[in-house]
Amino acid sequence: NAGVTQTPKFQVLKTGQSMTLQCAQDMNHNSMYWYRQDPGMGLRLIYYSASEGTTDKGEVPNGYNVSRLNKREFSLRLESAAPSQTSVYFCASREQETQYFGPGTRLLVL
Amino acid sequence: QKEVEQNSGPLSVPEGAIASLNCTYSDRVSQSFFWYRQYSGKSPELIMSIYSNGDKEDGRFTAQLNKASQYVSLLIRDSQPSDSATYLCAVDITGGGNKLTFGTGTQLKVEL
Repeated sequence: NAGVTQTPKFQVLKTGQSMTLQCAQDMNHNSMYWYRQDPGMGLRLIYYSASEGTTDKGEVPNGYNVSRLNKREFSLRLESAAPSQTSVYFCASREQETQYFGPGTRLLVL
Repeated sequence: QKEVEQNSGPLSVPEGAIASLNCTYSDRVSQSFFWYRQYSGKSPELIMSIYSNGDKEDGRFTAQLNKASQYVSLLIRDSQPSDSATYLCAVDITGGGNKLTFGTGTQLKVEL
């Protein structure tokens, strides 16, 4: 039981490049989330998916798109990366009131 | 005004002391409250949840909720160096458990 996994662990992009952050969970949870964490800003919700086939915007969705590929996988795409998207990205899944976080992806946009 | 506020710290306490971490929130309809612990370079993990006014104890941890005053606190008794981490307060403002709003976290340092 791996819990929530994320790939890659670390990525460097140039401004304007695109990339997809992958997230998968093996706990059969319906709800999944993408957060970003910046110094002094705390965790901020980007997008979430309450169930397979549905997605909703969170607090900071601009510049991102998501896909809930199936019940296990929830990906986050940056179409044209900007330096302001330099951050640590966490994926999470939820069982009842508890959110379980993945190990995070550190993204640096130059 | 931020929806969930915490003092960023660092809060320094000696080993064996009680650490008191505080959090205030702005939305009166909030129903569910959580404390997550995050070690440096790691992901957050849930340590306590509380839904009703009063105290909830789990081992060395006690969560306290006062909805009238809109604050929630976390007490850590017999603090250990391994408790040194950032503690994140999270509030479910929308209900249903689907969306959490996090505070910026309080860094706790437990000194030998």
